Parts: sequence; C-alpha cells; structure tokens
Amino acid sequence: EPEVTQTPSHQVTQMGQEVILRCVPISNHLYFYWYRQILGQKVEFLVSFYNNEISEKSEIFDDQFSVERPDGSNFTLKIRSTKLEDSAMYFCASSDRERNEKLFFGSGTQLSVL
Amino acid sequence: AQSVTQPDIHITVSEGASLELRCNYSYGATPYLFWYVQSPGQGLQLLLKYFSGDTLVQGIKGFEAEFKRSQSSFNLRKPSVHWSDAAEYFCAGINDMRFGAGTRLTVKP
Repeated sequence: EPEVTQTPSHQVTQMGQEVILRCVPISNHLYFYWYRQILGQKVEFLVSFYNNEISEKSEIFDDQFSVERPDGSNFTLKIRSTKLEDSAMYFCASSDRERNEKLFFGSGTQLSVL
Repeated sequence: AQSVTQPDIHITVSEGASLELRCNYSYGATPYLFWYVQSPGQGLQLLLKYFSGDTLVQGIKGFEAEFKRSQSSFNLRKPSVHWSDAAEYFCAGINDMRFGAGTRLTVKP
C-alpha cells in the first residue's frame, strides 16, 4: 500500500530556532494536512493545503507556522521560532479527494524543543 | 461547535473479552465519522469509516462500529480483544477532521 513518509522521525531543537518538518505525500494525492499531538493529549488539526494554498487552518496555526510544497513532491511545515510548547508529534497526511474520504497518515515526527 | 467526544480516557479489558469504545458526535446533519488507531510510537491507521447507508460498518482487524442517530453515537466494538489491540483509539468527524481526545486501551493477559 502506498504510504506517506515523514522525515526526520525525531527532531531536537533549541527554543527560538527554526525547524522544518518534511513530508512526502502519496504521489497522486492533491490534499495535504498537518496535525500535531502533544504528549498525552488529543490529535489537533493544524492546516490543510490544496492547489498550492492553505484551504483551512486552525487557531493553533499562527504566524510562526507556514507550509510549503516546494517541488511537487515534498510538503513541509516550518516553525519559525520554536517554543517549548511546540514539542509534540507532528503528523502529515494526504488524500486524493476533498473532505477526506480516506486520509493516509505518516508515522510522524517527534519534535522536542529544549 | 461541531465535534466528537470520547467519554472514556482509559479502558482496560482482559484478552479475549469483548470491547466497546464510545464516541459521541454533535454534528447537525449526518456526519462522516471515522475511527483511527495509534499504536505506541506509530502513526494513525484508519480502522473504519461511516458516510451513509448501512449503520453497521465493518473495519479492519475485526473491528466494527455502529452509527446510532438516536443516540448521536458511533461506538467501536470488537467481540474478542487481542493483546496486540492495546493502543490509543481516536474517533474523528468530518468536515474538519477534528479528532476526539482518544481512548487508551490496555489489554490484560
């Protein structure tokens, strides 16, 4: 079965540093998502992306976050100046149609902000 | 606000026993509902989904869920739990793929 891949699996960074989390969605998918899960808490929607622009974002997705599809295969989440509370597991997902008939999730990137 | 809620944070069952995980929704129209499982250190895997039609939905790994409009519920069931079913289970609703808080399942030998 095709899969979404995320790199790195674990990222450690200092507070205030910029991080870029990378995702390679399934090749024929058109809709892309980022979610995060703080340890022990529920999975939270961050942003959805379609046709090279953000289609929806949550209140969590503030100005320090940005997403990009730089080359037609990668889908990145950038956090400009990390805070301690950004420590979480970040999941990328993709879908081949709108409204998420089936989301394919990556295995996540664990971000630790020190 | 439209949402799904999972009332049980943690459930423990014995291996071989039956399982029911609760999910309630508050969408006005017929919702699209999903159950996902997250094994320790792993990503999310879709177990099953409900869009319309037959209210009893069969999923992978022997799971099923029943959509009950009268109770605004979409509970996940399995007749006989295996030790490998120990994981975190998330109910999620469309249109925004908001996830419930999750229910952690522990399986006793």
